[in-house]
Formats: sequence, structure tokens, C-alpha cells
Amino acid sequence: EPEVTQTPSHQVTQMGQEVILRCVPISNHLYFYWYRQILGQKVEFLVSFYNNEISEKSEIFDDQFSVERPDGSNFTLKIRSTKLEDSAMYFCASTKPGQIQETQYFGPGTRLLVL
Amino acid sequence: GQSLEQPSEVTAVEGAIVQINCTYQTSGFYGLSWYQQHDGGAPTFLSYNALDGLEETGRFSSFLSRSDSYGYLLLQELQMKDSASYFCAVKGATNKLIFGTGTLLAVQP
Repeated sequence: EPEVTQTPSHQVTQMGQEVILRCVPISNHLYFYWYRQILGQKVEFLVSFYNNEISEKSEIFDDQFSVERPDGSNFTLKIRSTKLEDSAMYFCASTKPGQIQETQYFGPGTRLLVL
Repeated sequence: GQSLEQPSEVTAVEGAIVQINCTYQTSGFYGLSWYQQHDGGAPTFLSYNALDGLEETGRFSSFLSRSDSYGYLLLQELQMKDSASYFCAVKGATNKLIFGTGTLLAVQP
């Protein structure tokens, strides 16, 4: 069964450094998302992406964040200057419009630790 | 603002039935989904209600009342592997999911 993949599984970085989190959505999906989950808390929406542009972004998704689909398969989240509070699990998700159940398929996540 | 409230923890025994409630207050409602998450792993889809009523998928059922801004997930014939966190999530206009606070289900032998 097709699945969403993410790399790396873990990332440790120093405060102020740039990180790029990578995702490969399911191949025939058209909507892509990033979510984050701070340890012990709920999953929070960051950004949705469709037709090569951002559809919607949350208040969390400030100027330090950016997303890109550099080719036909990868979907990346960049954090330009990481802060301690960016430490979280970051999940990528994708969905295929028109599905009856509107299922979003989540990747395994990247655990980001900012020191 | 947007909020989805769930009980923080529920405990039940193997073979029992458990109901996890979700009340929501959101702008723009297109449906209510339920996701399961084991130990911080990937959330996995369980069920979705766009209209009022009950949806059944094997041991799991989900109910929605749009007029009451309320839904629940019903798990039957509980198994140890059902121990996990369960999140309700409202689907918004751009298909984004707004997740609830999550319910940690502990299934005991």
C-alpha cells in the first residue's frame, strides 16, 4: 500500500540554524500538509499546499517557515532560524481530492530537537 | 476561536465497549474525522462523518450531530492493541484538519 515517507526521522540542531524537513507524499495525491505536535500535546495544523502554492497557513506558520515542492515528488518544510520552541514532531500528510472519506495520510514524522 | 474538547483519559477492560466524546466549536465545518495515534507515531485514519448519524467500520463506529456540535467514537470488543491516543478532527474548507485535545485510552486485561 502506498505511504507517505519523511526524512530524516530525527534531527538535532542548534538554535538559530536552518533545517529542512523532507516528505514524499503519495504519488497521485494533490493536497499536501504539514502539521506539528509538541510532546504530549495535540497535533497542530501548519500549512496546506495545492497546485504549487499555499492554500492556507496557521498563525504558527510565520516568516521563519516556508514550504516548497521542488520537483514532482518531494515536499519540504524549511525553518530558517530555529528556536527552542520549534522542538516538536513534524508530520507531513497528503490527500487525494474526491475521496469519499477525505482521508489524510500521515507520514511517520520527523522529530526535531532544537538545543 | 476554534476548539475541540475530548476527555483526557479513558480506561476500559478487554472485550468492553468504550465511547470517546468530542464537542467542537469551529468556523467552517465540513466533517468530523477520528484518528488513532500510538506512542507519538503517525496519526492513522479511523472514521469520517460528513452528515449526521452513525458510520460503522468493523469494531469502530463514529457518530455526528451537527446541530449539537458533537460527535463520538465507539470502540467495541476492545483489544490490548487499541491502547493509544484518539483524536477527533474537524475538516475545514481547505481540507485542513483541526485536531482535538486527544484522549488517551488504556485497555486493561
